[in-house]
Amino acid sequence: QQQVKQSPQSLIVQKGGISIINCAYENTAFDYFPWYQQFPGKGPALLIAIRPDVSEKKEGRFTISFNKSAKQFSLHIMDSQPGDSATYFCAASIGGSRLTFGEGTQLTVNP
Amino acid sequence: DGGITQSPKYLFRKEGQNVTLSCEQNLNHDAMYWYRQDPGQGLRLIYYSQIVNDFQKGDIAEGYSVSREKKESFPLTVTSAQKNPTAFYLCASRRAGGPRTGELFFGEGSRLTVL
Repeated sequence: QQQVKQSPQSLIVQKGGISIINCAYENTAFDYFPWYQQFPGKGPALLIAIRPDVSEKKEGRFTISFNKSAKQFSLHIMDSQPGDSATYFCAASIGGSRLTFGEGTQLTVNP
Repeated sequence: DGGITQSPKYLFRKEGQNVTLSCEQNLNHDAMYWYRQDPGQGLRLIYYSQIVNDFQKGDIAEGYSVSREKKESFPLTVTSAQKNPTAFYLCASRRAGGPRTGELFFGEGSRLTVL
């Protein structure tokens, strides 16, 4: 019930391409869905987040798509750049506390 | 600058020894968290604290202990009872309430290696 499943585990994209990472959850009580970005040797940092009352949220090149009926949400990175190479984690929580994280996706953007 | 400071950044320990990881924040956040990160397993919650002098077990609390005597500080002790302690440990804090109440702020982590 508390799990968040993330795929793929790793992703290689060419510069300028679209990166797509998917997550699925079971607990319908989750009401907060953030994505975190982590560079090697650093702690994760919040990238973008969505609540289930909207189906999409866009911030610059980053978009979250949310499908409440399918219990899935995804991160789209448009015009991917080598500087986007990092590990990305989806997460979910109830009321913003006690986040449950996905397994992570290691994104590599080739020049 | 406000933030979270974890120390030490790297730590080596012999089997059978306890070790304490420090986490200090000057963000005036109420809630603090400890996560463990292993390759391919994401971030798993060890302990969390919503207020001073109170804390709760997370998903993998066995072999760990914490204290929350001050709002700014949330140290984690990795005891000899923890069977596989080698990992990257992340401390985080969160402000309760407000428009960004769900956002976790992370430190830069402590990498523990058991020899």
